[in-house]
Amino acid sequence: KQEVTQIPAALSVPEGENLVLNCSFTDSAIYNLQWFRQDPGKGLTSLLLIQSSQREQTSGRLNASLDKSSGRSTLYIAASQPGDSATYLCAVRFQKLVFGTGTRLLVSP
Amino acid sequence: ETGVTQSPTHLIKTRGQQVTLRCSSQSGHNTVSWYQQALGQGPQFIFQYYREEENGRGNFPPRFSGLQFPNYSSELNVNALELDDSALYLCASSLGGLAGNTGELFFGEGSRLTVL
Repeated sequence: KQEVTQIPAALSVPEGENLVLNCSFTDSAIYNLQWFRQDPGKGLTSLLLIQSSQREQTSGRLNASLDKSSGRSTLYIAASQPGDSATYLCAVRFQKLVFGTGTRLLVSP
Repeated sequence: ETGVTQSPTHLIKTRGQQVTLRCSSQSGHNTVSWYQQALGQGPQFIFQYYREEENGRGNFPPRFSGLQFPNYSSELNVNALELDDSALYLCASSLGGLAGNTGELFFGEGSRLTVL
């Protein structure tokens, strides 16, 4: 069964810290992996898309890496801000798209 | 460029009723997919439409059905509503092809369905 797991489920940090969110998946035969942000009760905002042939993508303070052989991706957030507080979801495209359950991030001022 | 829009934003139905949710895809996108997100969970894939044809389906019963129109907008229909159908329903659009949908997904704000 193709599954996606995100650890930790919740994370609380003070403003300014650098942090890493983890995503693992059970099958290395993927097309791509996409990281999203979701604010409470809202839709998903795309952060980064990594195709299966790529190793990482960067956008501003965000950097996502992909290691297909070990079934892992990480989302690195530099210099965290209170506005980064949200749930971060990892979605892996196997034959269909499978989401993790997310990491709830709280950044305190 | 117009983003993905969904309607209605909130609705309340009773068990056994039917509901139709609507989605307008982002300009230039030809693929629409639908997801169900229960509280505290990640979204679950319902199905996907490419150029008006369903070309992928998750583990949802046949009472979940859909349509995609020539302008690539889409509907999700749910018949015989059950209490467990209460969830946030999300629509996403992307630029896909026959070989599969590997493009970046863009989501709408969702339709919050409550079944009483």
